[in-house]
Amino acid sequence: AQSVTQPDIHITVSEGASLELRCNYSYGATPYLFWYVQSPGQGLQLLLKYFSGDTLVQGIKGFEAEFKRSQSSFNLRKPSVHWSDAAEYFCAVGVYSGGGADGLTFGKGTHLIIQP
Amino acid sequence: GAGVSQSPRYKVAKRGQDVALRCDPISGHVSLFWYQQALGQGPEFLTYFQNEAQLDKSGLPSDRFFAERPEGSVSTLKIQRTQQEDSAVYLCASSSGATDTQYFGPGTRLTVL
Repeated sequence: AQSVTQPDIHITVSEGASLELRCNYSYGATPYLFWYVQSPGQGLQLLLKYFSGDTLVQGIKGFEAEFKRSQSSFNLRKPSVHWSDAAEYFCAVGVYSGGGADGLTFGKGTHLIIQP
Repeated sequence: GAGVSQSPRYKVAKRGQDVALRCDPISGHVSLFWYQQALGQGPEFLTYFQNEAQLDKSGLPSDRFFAERPEGSVSTLKIQRTQQEDSAVYLCASSSGATDTQYFGPGTRLTVL
């Protein structure tokens, strides 16, 4: 079965500084990879996704992520964070069998705190 | 167009009561997913529908949990004889196909006393 590890439970970053959130996955084949963001009381919003092709993926709100097969990683980056980026970030892996989707497997999340 | 909607947004139930949670997916979306998110955790997959067919219910934690989507649109997640460990946010997501982006609703926060 697939799994997702987000090693950092909390990360604190100063406003304007760069950000990298780590994500490692375990799956026997090439998975479909996602980053979602969740603000308090809100649903999950997709930031970006990787299905195939270019391993550097651009998303919304200035985020990007790089798929590294050799490291089984899909880290999320942003060159300069804004106070509004404070939220919970979830990495997820999708597996699709012949009969349809198996649903997404999520990591436990990384809570991002922005210092003024 | 409108996104995924869920109702109620909050539900408080006494232990042993039955509850029903509703999900209205994005119009035309074939695939519908239910997830359970415990406090401080990531969402966990419960079940998946393709149109009205429930193709995967491997994530349902017990036989007290039941989901349906009779007309291939609105879905209901029912929990019978609720227990305290059922307290969580229940998220619904829909997509236009199995491999397409899943769009999430705001969730229903269930508290079992």
